[in-house]
Amino acid sequence: DTEVTQTPKHLVMGMTNKKSLKCEQHMGHRAMYWYKQKAKKPPELMFVYSYEKLSINESVPSRFSPECPNSSLLNLHLHALQPEDSALYLCASSQEASGGSTDTQYFGPGTRLTVL
Amino acid sequence: AQTVTQSQPEMSVQEAETVTLSCTYDTSESDYYLFWYKQPPSRQMILVIRQEAYKQQNATENRFSVNFQKAAKSFSLKISDSQLGDAAMYFCAYKPPGNQFYFGTGTSLTVIP
Repeated sequence: DTEVTQTPKHLVMGMTNKKSLKCEQHMGHRAMYWYKQKAKKPPELMFVYSYEKLSINESVPSRFSPECPNSSLLNLHLHALQPEDSALYLCASSQEASGGSTDTQYFGPGTRLTVL
Repeated sequence: AQTVTQSQPEMSVQEAETVTLSCTYDTSESDYYLFWYKQPPSRQMILVIRQEAYKQQNATENRFSVNFQKAAKSFSLKISDSQLGDAAMYFCAYKPPGNQFYFGTGTSLTVIP
């Protein structure tokens, strides 16, 4: 089973709202990722969690706040977003091998976010 | 800096024909992974094929195969017997040691019936 699930599938929010995106995997993967993707563009890395600790933060604005409550769950808390933050938000996971290197990345279906 | 280049923004192929998508990458690492991902319109990004740099043999998955040229830092994807369902954005990705993946800009493949 190589399934990564994401909820919700679609989200529309105003600039003053607070919302959260959720990602879940049960493959025993210990590295989890958030990406932002605009139409017909490659995914842009936002955050990487390794063994539930934030290991990479690609200078993402503080209005995006990640959280990894346990090894299967990854959340992205959203607050005071801007219209330019409208995009597809992808979650991914990969197996953490010894030495800190990971292998194949598996993606969830994404949450399509619209900020009004 | 790690970079991945896909020089073909758009490609088209006749159904049942063969098409090759190009990818080059820049690295000073000797051990790394390479991937091709497929993303149909408004659908999930899925793994097509992966190649480990230390393996000389080119990876193959049914109608999909790669031509991995390590010295030239080239990793092209060949799709044989193209089907309508192959229409999608194709992203080449490179992974050095560590957690980070680097993606190319993508190639949009159209399959003509």
